[in-house]
Amino acid sequence: GENVEQHPSTLSVQEGDSAVIKCTYSDSASNYFPWYKQELGKRPQLIIDIRSNVGEKKDQRIAVTLNKTAKHFSLHITETQPEDSAVYFCAASIRSGGSYIPTFGRGTSLIVHP
Amino acid sequence: DSGVTQTPKHLITATGQRVTLRCSPRSGDLSVYWYQQSLDQGLQFLIQYYNGEERAKGNILERFSAQQFPDLHSELNLSSLELGDSALYFCASSPREAYRGQETQYFGPGTRLLVL
Repeated sequence: GENVEQHPSTLSVQEGDSAVIKCTYSDSASNYFPWYKQELGKRPQLIIDIRSNVGEKKDQRIAVTLNKTAKHFSLHITETQPEDSAVYFCAASIRSGGSYIPTFGRGTSLIVHP
Repeated sequence: DSGVTQTPKHLITATGQRVTLRCSPRSGDLSVYWYQQSLDQGLQFLIQYYNGEERAKGNILERFSAQQFPDLHSELNLSSLELGDSALYFCASSPREAYRGQETQYFGPGTRLLVL
């Protein structure tokens, strides 16, 4: 299976609702989990990240939770707005030989309907 | 604006040709990463350099090569181009060598490559 799995691939919500995107990873040694937002044709932008010494991190309407035992982490967006519409990627660093390879999920296309 | 610059923004070329993509990291950043983003493959890590030395390698084809120069800018060379190489190529930078992959990466605007 893939080293980082992300679900769902598409998420459609009404403005004001919450959105949750989930990722699982395979390498128990992974300890840094960033989330990126990418608008069409633009660069990925870091929106929040979490390291394995914490279980939850919050920044205004965005929060990330991490369960190292289960090897999964989630992005939570509350009070969604149309400008939150974008593709969101999770990532984890996966061991490969003596290196850690940045590995991205396949992305979630979030659509927020006004 | 992340502070990472990439040139050119767009590149159109033919199969079999060779192109060079250029990346300048944020001021002070020593690590440069290259990624390929295509519609069906998502964001794929290609290669990482730290202070001029190769540090990690992903799914980079043998037709592709990269280097980081003493002034820390990096170039990605793509040769014998195929239709399937059409993609967005991003570079990213981070301040230090990633310890267990923990460094925050800042992405450039990307180079859109179209191979005809």
